[in-house]
Amino acid sequence: DQQVKQNSPSLSVQEGRISILNCDYTNSMFDYFLWYKKYPAEGPTFLISISSIKDKNEDGRFTVFLNKSAKHLSLHIVPSQPGDSAVYFCASEKGGSNYKLTFGKGTLLTVNP
Amino acid sequence: DAGVTQSPTHLIKTRGQQVTLRCSPKSGHDTVSWYQQALGQGPQFIFQYYEEEERQRGNFPDRFSGHQFPNYSSELNVNALLLGDSALYLCASSLVGAMLDPNYGYTFGSGTRLTVV
Repeated sequence: DQQVKQNSPSLSVQEGRISILNCDYTNSMFDYFLWYKKYPAEGPTFLISISSIKDKNEDGRFTVFLNKSAKHLSLHIVPSQPGDSAVYFCASEKGGSNYKLTFGKGTLLTVNP
Repeated sequence: DAGVTQSPTHLIKTRGQQVTLRCSPKSGHDTVSWYQQALGQGPQFIFQYYEEEERQRGNFPDRFSGHQFPNYSSELNVNALLLGDSALYLCASSLVGAMLDPNYGYTFGSGTRLTVV
């Protein structure tokens, strides 16, 4: 049973446009949601996070939106840049205790110049 | 400041063999977690070590074991290797209780690519 789902394996956008990556979850006990970016041959790097008590968190070009009733979150990247091309993972965690993260399968974002 | 370092970067083993992967956490971190990432999948939690004890374990068989040393570094051991154990093994370090802190939250290494033939 996959508790975190990223239903789009890939997404292609033009440079300067908005990229929207989506993530759905099934476990209502999740307290924190995180987005990671992964380049080939590197480990995932933390991008942005949101607590379940918030519905939006912004950091520069990156904004994460959380809709708890729909158990859905999304990552918006505006404007998209070619260097943003990577695999993006959505991850969830229960309790904020630094225990395990549950990851989705990832979405490959390609930003075309 | 070095981040999380893992060794080796690549490894080829034969079915039935045993393997040990190593991880040095980021400076200031005291907790080490291990993840397995199969091709086309997201990372899956294997276990986490804190204060040299296994703190939590994911849905992996006993063939997977680990250890944390007093300097916080960690090893992942896999016995009786199966073809299905071929994956990227990621180590992540963190400071306990600092999940969302950009400096002390989860920091991943580049991983060890294990191929079982």
